[in-house]
Amino acid sequence: ETGVTQTPRHLVMGMTNKKSLKCEQHLGHNAMYWYKQSAKKPLELMFVYNFKEQTENNSVPSRFSPECPNSSHLFLHLHTLQPEDSALYLCASSQDYSQPQHFGDGTRLSIL
Amino acid sequence: QKEVEQDPGPLSVPEGAIVSLNCTYSNSAFQYFMWYRQYSRKGPELLMYTYSSGNKEDGRFTAQVDKSSKYISLFIRDSQPSDSATYLCAMPSGNTGFQKLVFGTGTRLLVSP
Repeated sequence: ETGVTQTPRHLVMGMTNKKSLKCEQHLGHNAMYWYKQSAKKPLELMFVYNFKEQTENNSVPSRFSPECPNSSHLFLHLHTLQPEDSALYLCASSQDYSQPQHFGDGTRLSIL
Repeated sequence: QKEVEQDPGPLSVPEGAIVSLNCTYSNSAFQYFMWYRQYSRKGPELLMYTYSSGNKEDGRFTAQVDKSSKYISLFIRDSQPSDSATYLCAMPSGNTGFQKLVFGTGTRLLVSP
């Protein structure tokens, strides 16, 4: 596999559930990102990791918890989400901050 | 005022038309200007990016930046049905390279055969 792979592609969960989104990149990149894409809104940067260290938390509610065990993998742990959290969650990676980001195809999340 | 403004469309054109997609921005400090294409049920794909003012051409695509007007454009020549997608403009913000991107909401383009 090449590029940025996200699983699952679709996820439906209740507000009290706990679930995790997974992102894996096969590009040898060192920086990874989580974005939220809602209808009719610009992409919102959520978290940034560089060499496994979190360098950006864009005032994201604590019900979203990222984890980056190594430079190739990024997780987003979800707990007690709200209906307004329904969106497309996109993962991206880049070699470093001097290079543009490459995106995965996202996880479509629906909160019941 | 949003940092980046983009008409959501949809913009409908016949095959073979020249398409003009545009963004305006408010932050005069922006130096790089990027265009992503996003097909339905897919993630954004980087088309091209430019530094400062001027034009950049890549095949049927031309990116144009006018920093004096804070206005950028993406032109598509000989548009094809396969160009039907949402086009997002984006600009790196701050002094951290491409780490923090500010996106427009995207313009949906429909090219009919």
